[in-house]
Amino acid sequence: GEDVEQSLFLSVREGDSSVINCTYTDSSSTYLYWYKQEPGAGLQLLTYIFSNMDMKQDQRLTVLLNKKDKHLSLRIADTQTGDSAIYFCAEGSSSGGSYIPTFGRGTSLIVHP
Amino acid sequence: DSGVTQTPKHLITATGQRVTLRCSPRSGDLSVYWYQQSLDQGLQFLIQYYNGEERAKGNILERFSAQQFPDLHSELNLSSLELGDSALYFCASSGGTAGDQPQHFGDGTRLSIL
Repeated sequence: GEDVEQSLFLSVREGDSSVINCTYTDSSSTYLYWYKQEPGAGLQLLTYIFSNMDMKQDQRLTVLLNKKDKHLSLRIADTQTGDSAIYFCAEGSSSGGSYIPTFGRGTSLIVHP
Repeated sequence: DSGVTQTPKHLITATGQRVTLRCSPRSGDLSVYWYQQSLDQGLQFLIQYYNGEERAKGNILERFSAQQFPDLHSELNLSSLELGDSALYFCASSGGTAGDQPQHFGDGTRLSIL
């Protein structure tokens, strides 16, 4: 079945760039998403990319997709303490008209001064 | 604010009991998804409804059931509760059934079984 893997923790200094990596196995994945979860809150959609794209930039966020290696990354420029959260990568394909996403276990980003 | 509302925010009950979690999707969204988040299992997809009909099933136990009503709100019913059912339960909604529209999550219901 589908599998999405992420490293569990990432620690960065405030002002540096953060890069969160994700690998997936389903070659039919069409949509790849990044979500952010702050303590006590739900998952907030950050950005998403379609599989026919290599890169997407949205302010401080840059998503890179290497479809050949099934590797997705999220780069956060000028990381701030408010970026501390759990970041989830998710992949999905519209199979039979239904979207059943597979989520990674999340990467805890810790930003220290 | 995602526009998805879940109630209650917290629920404490005992083993063997039954509870109902409620979700109101974003205005205009026809799909509702339920997820369970626990420390050991991560985020698990339970079930999806689209415009009142069940569309997809994930790792949902037989003790759990859900439905979506004509006004599109959804309820997740958990019965014969066990200690292992303690978790965060999220509802998400989207505009369609396919993956070309992202999901928007509520803030979850934290269920604690004593």
